[in-house]
Amino acid sequence: DADVTQTPRNRITKTGKRIMLECSQTKGHDRMYWYRQDPGLGLRLIYYSFDVKDINKGEISDGYSVSRQAQAKFSLSLESAIPNQTALYFCATSVGRGRDEQFFGPGTRLTVL
Amino acid sequence: GENVEQHPSTLSVQEGDSAVIKCTYSDSASNYFPWYKQELGKRPQLIIDIRSNVGEKKDQRIAVTLNKTAKHFSLHITETQPEDSAVYFCAASYNAGNMLTFGGGTRLMVKP
Repeated sequence: DADVTQTPRNRITKTGKRIMLECSQTKGHDRMYWYRQDPGLGLRLIYYSFDVKDINKGEISDGYSVSRQAQAKFSLSLESAIPNQTALYFCATSVGRGRDEQFFGPGTRLTVL
Repeated sequence: GENVEQHPSTLSVQEGDSAVIKCTYSDSASNYFPWYKQELGKRPQLIIDIRSNVGEKKDQRIAVTLNKTAKHFSLHITETQPEDSAVYFCAASYNAGNMLTFGGGTRLMVKP
């Protein structure tokens, strides 16, 4: 079945380290998103991309960067991780063009010590 | 930017009862309102959505209502079952699926 996958699923790192979270999809969707989830705060949009040459900041982009290497791949980087970036990170995809459902990956639990 | 408030943060009901979760939004230009369900340890999944040209939408035991004047929308679950236990998120967007702003979530517990 077509799916959205994320690697790694869990990661523990130290303050100041560079971290990359990867997202791949076999759905053939053009649009990809990165969210973080914190208890009581719902899902907050970090970055989104509507095609390979398109990158847009979301609500909370400070401290993060992204790369859209191909239609199927969208990576999130934390250049210098800090403890308040400890969260559950989700990648999502959508078709766009009037079909708005977002399909989420399984999530990456990141802990910054 | 858009701000979405969701209430209550937790809701406990007896199996068979109804559950109602309410959300308010701030941007009158918002025109797309999805609801996502997240079971424990799982990814969020869309359960129902509504656009601003419709006041109500139903799908079996779930329904969503939208009041554009008051800028609020609600999720209604009837005849709740234990498998309805999950965290529910509302969201709003001014441009269909672009830039979804989520509410803080409601943890629904259905007691057998």
